[in-house]
Amino acid sequence: AQSVTQLDSQVPVFEEAPVELRCNYSSSVSVYLFWYVQYPNQGLQLLLKYLSGSTLVKGINGFEAEFNKSQTSFHLRKPSVHISDTAEYFCAVSDDSGYALNFGKGTSLLVTP
Amino acid sequence: DAGVIQSPRHEVTEMGQEVTLRCKPISGHDYLFWYRQTMMRGLELLIYFNNNVPIDDSGMPEDRFSAKMPNASFSTLKIQPSEPRDSAVYFCASSPYPPENYGYTFGSGTRLTVV
Repeated sequence: AQSVTQLDSQVPVFEEAPVELRCNYSSSVSVYLFWYVQYPNQGLQLLLKYLSGSTLVKGINGFEAEFNKSQTSFHLRKPSVHISDTAEYFCAVSDDSGYALNFGKGTSLLVTP
Repeated sequence: DAGVIQSPRHEVTEMGQEVTLRCKPISGHDYLFWYRQTMMRGLELLIYFNNNVPIDDSGMPEDRFSAKMPNASFSTLKIQPSEPRDSAVYFCASSPYPPENYGYTFGSGTRLTVV
């Protein structure tokens, strides 16, 4: 079954610094990969997705992710973070059916001045 | 569009009571998903529907949990009887076909506390 591992449970970073949130997936077949963001007391919001094609995917709020098949990774990056980026970030992979998503445990991004 | 609407936002109930969580998906979305979020287990898929038909309920913890989708605009998740270990945030999400192309739209969740 497809699964993802988010390697960092918490990532503290200073405002305007770059950040990378790591995600590795396990799958023996083609996969669809997603990053979601969850702000406190809210549902999850789609940041970006990789289905096929270009391995560099751009999303909302200045985030981007790179699909690396040889390393089975899909890391999320932002060149300069804002205080408002403080949130929980989830990596997800489609399951065998392609319709349901399996989520990682999440990475808490804390941006401080 | 009002998005995916879940009710109630918060529910506190006593152990043994029946709890019903409600979800109104976005109009035109063919898929509806129920997830549970806890600190220990993260986000777990409970069940999903396609055109009101349950497709995969393998994530439903046990017989105490049941879900229905009587029509395209309404779904319920029922727990009877409830137990303290059911305390979690329950999310409903919907998607048009195919879900992998669009991703999900999540509701704001229902925070359930069973005491």
